[in-house]
Amino acid sequence: DAKTTQPTSMDCAEGRAANLPCNHSTISGNEYVYWYRQIHSQGPQYIIHGLKNNETNEMASLIITEDRKSSTLILPHATLRDTAVYYCIVPTTDSWGKLQFGAGTQVVVTP
Amino acid sequence: ETGVTQTPRHLVMGMTNKKSLKCEQHLGHNAMYWYKQSAKKPLELMFVYSLEERVENNSVPSRFSPECPNSSHLFLHLHTLQPEDSALYLCASSQAMGQQGFAYEQYFGPGTRLTVT
Repeated sequence: DAKTTQPTSMDCAEGRAANLPCNHSTISGNEYVYWYRQIHSQGPQYIIHGLKNNETNEMASLIITEDRKSSTLILPHATLRDTAVYYCIVPTTDSWGKLQFGAGTQVVVTP
Repeated sequence: ETGVTQTPRHLVMGMTNKKSLKCEQHLGHNAMYWYKQSAKKPLELMFVYSLEERVENNSVPSRFSPECPNSSHLFLHLHTLQPEDSALYLCASSQAMGQQGFAYEQYFGPGTRLTVT
């Protein structure tokens, strides 16, 4: 997969926005950016994905830079239930949609 | 509830035992996946099935044997495992296999926590 780089951990105050960065400088033109999260001891959960344009759904917003070399996942009002490991994934052109999970970012939301 | 169920949720087995993990999806999906998550390690993709045909085997030891009898069910048969095989085994499904940088959303089950003694 296109290599992604994420911070190891982040803290966020409850009710505030959480901005999770991801670098993917080797991304190719037809490779999407995906975000999943995994709450402790549960299966991962899809959050959002995008190609070029910014995207928003009921869970989060995804901001992709114009050169597509980095992106930011925004949780607009973090709650304690958002404490999880967040994964930024870019399936490469030859991966046929398979996801390769890295270490992700451990986000801890505090009261 | 993601529409993907896994049984059992917890399993303890000896190294000489034979057991099977079961995954069932109620989403009408055509692709199914087995992942392994060892302690403090990222998820590792083990097997991929598309339309009941295995399309990926990521150098997984033969003591793990997958089976996909139909598009709704996926099994992982286990035999003569090692203690290092203790891990969380996750099943996932998606509408189809992706293509050239695009992946369909994967829905994960809750996992089976396996302990090999």
